[in-house]
Amino acid sequence: SQQGEEDPQALSIQEGENATMNCSYKTSINNLQWYRQNSGRGLVHLILIRSNEREKHSGRLRVTLDTSKKSSSLLITASRAADTASYFCATDAPNDYKLSFGAGTTVTVRA
Amino acid sequence: EAQVTQNPRYLITVTGKKLTVTCSQNMNHEYMSWYRQDPGLGLRQIYYSMNVEVTDKGDVPEGYKVSRKEKRNFPLILESPSPNQTSLYFCASARRGPFEQYFGPGTRLTVT
Repeated sequence: SQQGEEDPQALSIQEGENATMNCSYKTSINNLQWYRQNSGRGLVHLILIRSNEREKHSGRLRVTLDTSKKSSSLLITASRAADTASYFCATDAPNDYKLSFGAGTTVTVRA
Repeated sequence: EAQVTQNPRYLITVTGKKLTVTCSQNMNHEYMSWYRQDPGLGLRQIYYSMNVEVTDKGDVPEGYKVSRKEKRNFPLILESPSPNQTSLYFCASARRGPFEQYFGPGTRLTVT
């Protein structure tokens, strides 16, 4: 079953703007990860945040995690055309090595 | 170069004809997994393997088999494919556990 739900489903922004997408999940998690997929290709891991962390940064990416609300957000700052892709959150539960993905947010960055 | 390879990349087959999709990684990863991706549904995990001879079901294992006889290889077997298994399939690997996975390029399967 799908654990994560991304919001919005699609997002269109101008180059240079920030893009924010959200992920909500249903049950307790161990970790939450974000992946990027370019046009039907294999996914690329972006960032992992543990359940005891609240915020994490990697380059132009900022991820927050609110376990009380069972939600996470991914912020991409100063977007570029190369950021055009689908973004997925994925969660794993304590003592479980399955991984559940959401349906993804499709981001289009306009030049 | 660190990579996960899948073969074939594209496959059109008929209902009931057994097929195998191979997956291989060159990073000595312990964890390997198979996913299918369908429009609007994201990725759903089919099977995963924590190490050699250790496999377990994901969320959608029905109609699929896997084996992990060697660390580097994790083939996906469809004994009797059906049209509802038409999908884009991804293999992935990770050092230990489902974290920071490396994905293969995908196999687009059509079952008629």
